[in-house]
Amino acid sequence: GAGVSQSPSNKVTEKGKDVELRCDPISGHTALYWYRQSLGQGLEFLIYFQGNSAPDKSGLPSDRFSAERTGGSVSTLTIQRTQQEDSAVYLCASSLVSGAYEQYFGPGTRLTVT
Amino acid sequence: ILNVEQSPQSLHVQEGDSTNFTCSFPSSNFYALHWYRWETAKSPEALFVMTLNGDEKKKGRISATLNTKEGYSYLYIKGSQPEDSATYLCAFRSGNTGKLIFGQGTTLQVKP
Repeated sequence: GAGVSQSPSNKVTEKGKDVELRCDPISGHTALYWYRQSLGQGLEFLIYFQGNSAPDKSGLPSDRFSAERTGGSVSTLTIQRTQQEDSAVYLCASSLVSGAYEQYFGPGTRLTVT
Repeated sequence: ILNVEQSPQSLHVQEGDSTNFTCSFPSSNFYALHWYRWETAKSPEALFVMTLNGDEKKKGRISATLNTKEGYSYLYIKGSQPEDSATYLCAFRSGNTGKLIFGQGTTLQVKP
């Protein structure tokens, strides 16, 4: 079956612009996670959804970051007024439920802010 | 703050060499320890999910052990091949929410 997909695969944007990153989880997976890897850093948790609710947003680095999930499926991560430090690879993962052991990752979106 | 450390940061070996990496994590509130393999421009691929102290898991030439009391896990690759070249990530999980705390990874390069 289809895995987790993300779009775009690459995004270059100018400082100050808003960007939207999209994640399509595996069909039937109720839990969805966003992570990012900045240069020289490990993967960092941002937010997770169970259904359309986000019980843990603790990793969002600032109020410029927001995420939503609709219909228990697609999720969008929005970064407003992008800064150079937002440049990173943004990864999405999904699992059957939040307590499930297996998390399946998408290929990521590489965001470059110039 | 939960801290997950991996060592070494990078490793260069010759084809055929065996190698191992270390992941250290908090020894309290343990739920699971994940190992992933991440090749450039691809999705991280799950290798193992380990949940019990003393767990040993094997997948082909790759195996892993877990010690939750002292907070470490080892990943072993026997007879490394060039296609094993990747970054190996471990991730600690302290609850059933699914939130993973990742180490910075060990980047392995296997020379033919």
